[in-house]
Amino acid sequence: GAVVSQHPSWVICKSGTSVKIECRSLDFQATTMFWYRQFPKQSLMLMATSNEGSKATYEQGVEKDKFLINHASLTLSTLTVTSAHPEDSSFYICSARGVQETQYFGPGTRLLVL
Amino acid sequence: SQQGEEDPQALSIQEGENATMNCSYKTSINNLQWYRQNSGRGLVHLILIRSNEREKHSGRLRVTLDTSKKSSSLLITASRAADTASYFCATVYQAGTALIFGKGTTLSVSS
Repeated sequence: GAVVSQHPSWVICKSGTSVKIECRSLDFQATTMFWYRQFPKQSLMLMATSNEGSKATYEQGVEKDKFLINHASLTLSTLTVTSAHPEDSSFYICSARGVQETQYFGPGTRLLVL
Repeated sequence: SQQGEEDPQALSIQEGENATMNCSYKTSINNLQWYRQNSGRGLVHLILIRSNEREKHSGRLRVTLDTSKKSSSLLITASRAADTASYFCATVYQAGTALIFGKGTTLSVSS
């Protein structure tokens, strides 16, 4: 099946710093990528949808200036958490969709902000 | 926003027993999918059922879909300790493209 990777898998940072998370589709072209956030013992919450070459569409309540999404190519999307604070600590999961309807999920990135 | 609600929220059973989880959703869908997530890990896709299908099987998994009731069930037969995980249903709106997840059921299978 199609493979989606995320990097890094783990990141610890100080409050106020920015963190970039990469999501790559390794063996297919992803016209659409999605970013989810998952807090402990909760479900995945959709943060935003990004299409290659266009601006991301953010879900209600997600600050677009805080969570910057760039989908510059058909195989790479990045999520930058700007000026991270402890409440941004979470598990961030990306997924990618090509011409088929199936969404393929990355392994997730655990962010801990101290 | 979350589309689905699963019940029960938590389920504890013995190995060999069957586990049934239910999912309800709010709007029309193209398909409904079930995923498994081991603690702190990524998602594993289990099965997809389309809106025009009523039942689907995959190994020890059986999924049903009732579009009139906007509900689905996942049955795991002859459960194993390795089935211990959280299970989520997820749907795609007919008008949209993103998978929206339900709240999930945490299954614990003890040996």
